[in-house]
Amino acid sequence: AQKITQTQPGMFVQEKEAVTLDCTYDTSDQSYGLFWYKQPSSGEMIFLIYQGSYDEQNATEGRYSLNFQKARKSANLVISASQLGDSAMYFCAIRLMFSGGYNKLIFGAGTRLAVHP
Amino acid sequence: EAQVTQNPRYLITVTGKKLTVTCSQNMNHEYMSWYRQDPGLGLRQIYYSMNVEVTDKGDVPEGYKVSRKEKRNFPLILESPSPNQTSLYFCASSFEKRETQYFGPGTRLLVL
Repeated sequence: AQKITQTQPGMFVQEKEAVTLDCTYDTSDQSYGLFWYKQPSSGEMIFLIYQGSYDEQNATEGRYSLNFQKARKSANLVISASQLGDSAMYFCAIRLMFSGGYNKLIFGAGTRLAVHP
Repeated sequence: EAQVTQNPRYLITVTGKKLTVTCSQNMNHEYMSWYRQDPGLGLRQIYYSMNVEVTDKGDVPEGYKVSRKEKRNFPLILESPSPNQTSLYFCASSFEKRETQYFGPGTRLLVL
């Protein structure tokens, strides 16, 4: 069975510091994609960053980077220079491909991040 | 503006009263899906559609129906809602081969 594990239900970080949100996954597939989404208190799901299983470089998007360790099956999100607006729930997800072109996102339970001034 | 829209955003209803949550995207995406979000469980897929008239069950389809008569629309139907369907619902869409799913703003449903 494929699954995503986020072991940190909640995290605190001081403004301007960096924080790492953990994500491990379990799949026997060779081709897959890893995503991080942010969900602020308003509820919408905001795409942050994507890493393909065959990508050799770690993905980066502004202050977000994905620390991809394929052998350990981990895809941690690193937020540099935290801002108050980063306070939100963060979800890690894995996209798996099936025959016929169908793809499916499987989400972790989420990590709630609180940024303190 | 490229977007996925859902209506209504908030809904309070009673057990057994049929309801429909609409979802529409303006990006010509082939692939659309519905998720529900519950505390501690993340998002779980209810139904998905690979194209017009092509739909299939996700992980938690019981109590839900969908239809895909047009490419842009993918409504979620609760024929006889029950309190365990109280949740936050998201519609999402993507191109089949693209990397990112775009999510709608969410619909908060309370079934009394």
